[in-house]
Amino acid sequence: LAKTTQPISMDSYEGQEVNITCSHNNIATNDYITWYQQFPSQGPRFIIQGYKTKVTNEVASLFIPADRKSSTLSLPRVSLSDTAVYYCLVGDIASGTYKYIFGTGTRLKVLA
Amino acid sequence: DSGVTQTPKHLITATGQRVTLRCSPRSGDLSVYWYQQSLDQGLQFLIQYYNGEERAKGNILERFSAQQFPDLHSELNLSSLELGDSALYFCASSRGQYSNQPQHFGDGTRLSIL
Repeated sequence: LAKTTQPISMDSYEGQEVNITCSHNNIATNDYITWYQQFPSQGPRFIIQGYKTKVTNEVASLFIPADRKSSTLSLPRVSLSDTAVYYCLVGDIASGTYKYIFGTGTRLKVLA
Repeated sequence: DSGVTQTPKHLITATGQRVTLRCSPRSGDLSVYWYQQSLDQGLQFLIQYYNGEERAKGNILERFSAQQFPDLHSELNLSSLELGDSALYFCASSRGQYSNQPQHFGDGTRLSIL
């Protein structure tokens, strides 16, 4: 069964940069990599999306190596309100048919 | 507010019953996706519809079915419910049918099977 893996949890202090990596070995050739933030009892919220190299928006950066088998979400200067679970989402073809696969999720705790 | 509306927010029912979950996508979005989130399985993709047609299929059980109507809203039907079907069910929508346009999620329907 295709797995898209992430570290289970991370702790960080306010003001630090946080990098969360997702491994997606079976990503579909033309597929984009998307990252989401989820708070308890809410739906995942879109953070950033990219296809290759580096993408930056007002809240995060996304780094994608040339082989696209992994990606790293970078959150600059985190605050307490960034405490949440972060997921990557990719299209996967490991089963022979295209399907969306969420990563296992990384629980980020930001400490004061 | 993502613009995706899911109803009901909570649903409590018994084993063997059938329920229907409803999703209204963001204005202008043509794709609708359904996901199941449980503690042991994480976020699992069920199915995608684009402009009324099935576009991609995930780990959707035969007891579950979905459809997208001409007005683009979607319904997920769950039948012969089992205790293990208790989960959060999310709907998402996007402009197009491919991954280059991000999915935007509703806040889910929490289904509890007693």
